[in-house]
Amino acid sequence: KQEVTQIPAALSVPEGENLVLNCSFTDSAIYNLQWFRQDPGKGLTSLLLIQSSQREQTSGRLNASLDKSSGRSTLYIAASQPGDSATYLCAVRFDSNYQLIWGAGTKLIIKP
Amino acid sequence: NAGVTQTPKFRVLKTGQSMTLLCAQDMNHEYMYWYRQDPGMGLRLIHYSVGEGTTAKGEVPDGYNVSRLKKQNFLLGLESAAPSQTSVYFCASTRGLSGSLRHQETQYFGPGTRLLVL
Repeated sequence: KQEVTQIPAALSVPEGENLVLNCSFTDSAIYNLQWFRQDPGKGLTSLLLIQSSQREQTSGRLNASLDKSSGRSTLYIAASQPGDSATYLCAVRFDSNYQLIWGAGTKLIIKP
Repeated sequence: NAGVTQTPKFRVLKTGQSMTLLCAQDMNHEYMYWYRQDPGMGLRLIHYSVGEGTTAKGEVPDGYNVSRLKKQNFLLGLESAAPSQTSVYFCASTRGLSGSLRHQETQYFGPGTRLLVL
């Protein structure tokens, strides 16, 4: 079964720290991988999309990497701010399944 | 441009009652999706639609029905609500590009509907 796992489920760090969120997937035959942000009471917002042929994508203070062979992706957040507090979700589109398979998310709290 | 909107925002039902969740998008998107999100689990696809008048089952379709009579609207119905359907429901949409470009699209999400079934 194709699965996506995000560990830890929650993370709390002081403001200003650099941090890494993890996403692992069970099948290396993927089409792409996306990172989303979810704020309480709001919908999900796409942050970065990495195609299977790419190693990383960057947007501002965010950098997402992809290692298909090991079934892992990381989301690096530089110089964290309280406004980065949210739940971050990883979603994978596997070659054999058009639909996105989602991780359960990591709830991130940035302490001022 | 409101994007994707969902109504209602919150609803409490008794077991056996029925209700319809409405999703509307003003981006002229072809594809629309209904997901449910439960604690400790990723989003799971309930049903989706690749165009007006068409619907298809997702991963967890049992107990739900959908309709896409108009391109901009996607309705999710619960005919006889059960406590197991207590969840947060999200609607999403994409342009629905053709061929391989379809897989590169990101989904635009509504704010969600919180449903409690007693």
